[in-house]
Amino acid sequence: GAGVSQSPSNKVTEKGKDVELRCDPISGHTALYWYRQSLGQGLEFLIYFQGNSAPDKSGLPSDRFSAERTGGSVSTLTIQRTQQEDSAVYLCASSAEWGANQPQHFGDGTRLSIL
Amino acid sequence: SQQGEEDPQALSIQEGENATMNCSYKTSINNLQWYRQNSGRGLVHLILIRSNEREKHSGRLRVTLDTSKKSSSLLITASRAADTASYFCATDARGAQKLVFGQGTRLTINP
Repeated sequence: GAGVSQSPSNKVTEKGKDVELRCDPISGHTALYWYRQSLGQGLEFLIYFQGNSAPDKSGLPSDRFSAERTGGSVSTLTIQRTQQEDSAVYLCASSAEWGANQPQHFGDGTRLSIL
Repeated sequence: SQQGEEDPQALSIQEGENATMNCSYKTSINNLQWYRQNSGRGLVHLILIRSNEREKHSGRLRVTLDTSKKSSSLLITASRAADTASYFCATDARGAQKLVFGQGTRLTINP
């Protein structure tokens, strides 16, 4: 596709369940970013990938959160033993090169609701 | 705390008027970016301004940067209903390779 694709677009699950969110970046983009956005708030940085490696995992809220990227393309964000405070929109972005001087291209996010 | 803070938090104007949003940040930066977010959608990159630039234009958008005051402004001229969205500034900190986003300004253009 032409843009960043995220799936599912919506996810409702019970507290304590594991969830897996997927991001397909723009083809050829080296860098991939995950953010979390609570209702009406700004973006909270979670993690970024340069190729398949994640130099900066400092934004992951707890050890229940993990992410991987394989083949320099698709990335998955996994949340284990979900809690109600995990409810938010999870946004993925990619950029052609890595670095804070690069425009980021965003997907429309996964809206996660924990019951 | 956030590196960038937008002001005002919300702005409502009539179609055709100009809209000005401000962003302040705390530490030195290499560049600053502005993004737009329509309701329920991802962010869209609008413009990037480097620390050695003072002003940049793109269509109806004008961005200024004052590094001495650690602030930036985004001006949208001749606003349209389609400009209704949230607008975010994003900054890096020198040496950091990630962006830090502000809380955003919610702009409403009334027809």
